[in-house]
This record gives sequence, structure tokens and C-alpha cells, in this order.
Amino acid sequence: DAGITQSPRHKVTETGTPVTLRCHQTENHRYMYWYRQDPGHGLRLIHYSYGVKDTDKGEVSDGYSVSRSKTEDFLLTLESATSSQTSVYFCAIRIGGTGELFFGEGSRLTVL
Amino acid sequence: QQQVKQSPQSLIVQKGGISIINCAYENTAFDYFPWYQQFPGKGPALLIAIRPDVSEKKEGRFTISFNKSAKQFSLHIMDSQPGDSATYFCAASGIQGAQKLVFGQGTRLTINP
Repeated sequence: DAGITQSPRHKVTETGTPVTLRCHQTENHRYMYWYRQDPGHGLRLIHYSYGVKDTDKGEVSDGYSVSRSKTEDFLLTLESATSSQTSVYFCAIRIGGTGELFFGEGSRLTVL
Repeated sequence: QQQVKQSPQSLIVQKGGISIINCAYENTAFDYFPWYQQFPGKGPALLIAIRPDVSEKKEGRFTISFNKSAKQFSLHIMDSQPGDSATYFCAASGIQGAQKLVFGQGTRLTINP
């Protein structure tokens, strides 16, 4: 069973501060993704990774950066948080040959 | 640019009824169409998915109908139950490579007992 741990699960921060969200997987899945979920927009892809040190931009990448130094960890960083980045952030992994994306339980970020 | 449009935004169905949620897509390169179910406080979970080589796929009470020429697909929930109350998302992507899923806006489904 695929396992994803997102941390922190909840965070409140102030505008202009840096924030890092962590996604940790317990299996060696190659593809990892960061999505944000907002009412009326569904889920939108921020960045994804197709291997260690291999990342690419998604639909809404402005203001975000990512890093993947180990297969199991995918970090999402907001260099200088803004109120528009208040959202629920989901990490996902691609399950091998099925094509299924398996999502974590989300990290709720509030930027005041 | 919304590549996948989903309707309705919210839906209320009586227990035992049929719930129908519709999606339309624009990109003809899409060849993988999943539906995800999300309960409050949880991440989306794959419910059922279809490839464009078939027009219908059924798993239990859940059916996807797919119309390639119209670029539309829909989710039908038969004999809807209160436990089906959740938010449903359609999505689309290519199946090869990074498989960057594009999601619809979501439908909040409520099944009244």
C-alpha cells in the first residue's frame, strides 16, 4: 500500500515569510507531484518530479520552487508567502504501471 | 485556461437515485480519464478511470460513459447512498510520461437519506 506523509498538516504564517512543505513516500515511486486545491478551481499542478534532481513546472508554478534530493522526499518551498498562496496543498505519487495518482492527506496553509 | 470543465458544481440526490456528473475536455491528446472521490479532510482517491478505446466502464455502482467525438465523459452513480456524499473530480491527462493530470472544478454531491 502506497504511503505518503505530508508535513506540516496545518500551518499559519505571515506574508513575506518562507515556507517549506514536505512530502515523504515510503516506496520508490519515480513520479511525485505537488497540487494546490482551491474552491472553484479543483486541483492545479504546481510542480512535479520525475526523478532525483529532475523537476519541472506545472500550471501554477509562479512563486513556488521544489527540490528532490532523495527519491523519497519532495519539498515545496514558498520563498516569500503571499495571501494568494493560502490553500490546501496535496502531494501525490504515480503508482507504477496503473497510471493512478495516489494523494496524501494535504497540508493546509494560511498566509495572513 | 480551464482544459477540463465539470458540471454541476453541486448536486443533491435522494437515496436510491442516480447521480450524474459531467465533464468536457479540450485537449484531444488526452487519453486517460479518471474520476476521484474526496471526503472532507482527506486527499482525493481514485474511484474509476477509462481510456478512450471504450465508451463505457462499470465498477459496481459506478459507471463512466465516454464520448470521444463530443470530448465529453460522465460519471453515473447508481442506487446512490448517503456514504457517497463527497466531492467528485474528473480529470484528464496523457498516459505516457509525466501524466500531468488536469482536474475539473469539482462537484459536491449530497445524498439525502
